[in-house]
Amino acid sequence: SAVISQKPSRDICQRGTSLTIQCQVDSQVTMMFWYRQQPGQSLTLIATANQGSEATYESGFVIDKFPISRPNLTFSTLTVSNMSPEDSSIYLCSVAGLGTEAFFGQGTRLTVV
Amino acid sequence: AQSVTQLDSQVPVFEEAPVELRCNYSSSVSVYLFWYVQYPNQGLQLLLKYLSGSTLVKGINGFEAEFNKSQTSFHLRKPSVHISDTAEYFCAASWGYKLSFGAGTTVTVRA
Repeated sequence: SAVISQKPSRDICQRGTSLTIQCQVDSQVTMMFWYRQQPGQSLTLIATANQGSEATYESGFVIDKFPISRPNLTFSTLTVSNMSPEDSSIYLCSVAGLGTEAFFGQGTRLTVV
Repeated sequence: AQSVTQLDSQVPVFEEAPVELRCNYSSSVSVYLFWYVQYPNQGLQLLLKYLSGSTLVKGINGFEAEFNKSQTSFHLRKPSVHISDTAEYFCAASWGYKLSFGAGTTVTVRA
């Protein structure tokens, strides 16, 4: 299993600003994932973050809007840039291995006003 | 693209009644299947998982699910629900490292 800590747990931000979300895992993992859960919706994968390489973004998500860092095997950050009210969501960090369950952080509840 | 479909968006049920949440996925080839629960204002918790072996999987809180390869289904069941089972339930599948989630089913248990 893995224990994932996300910071901040929630934030209220002004439109046009950026927020960086941190994700810390208690063990070394190869792949980390960032998800978005819009109000009343399911989880949508934003990108996969591998240590030492560029993140891989899913369709509809771009690096300029959601830059990701992965400086080592236990840490990653997701930045939500130039925010608008449509970015109000829960953002979740996750780790998973091949053929195993995914573990999730508690999420960051973002409200953009 | 691989996908997961949850056939019921909302399921109201009376306390102590059985419940079944339906989930279908797009391909049985090398698939791993999961059910997660999300209680109000909380994170995701794994209920159960199918990786291989027995097609009937038992999870926490009295839930179970059956992997049906021919029907590409992984329905979740509980014989008797409690008020505390009120939550959002997500079916998810993996064909590698990434998880694909269904849209979710809201279960509301009434006394």
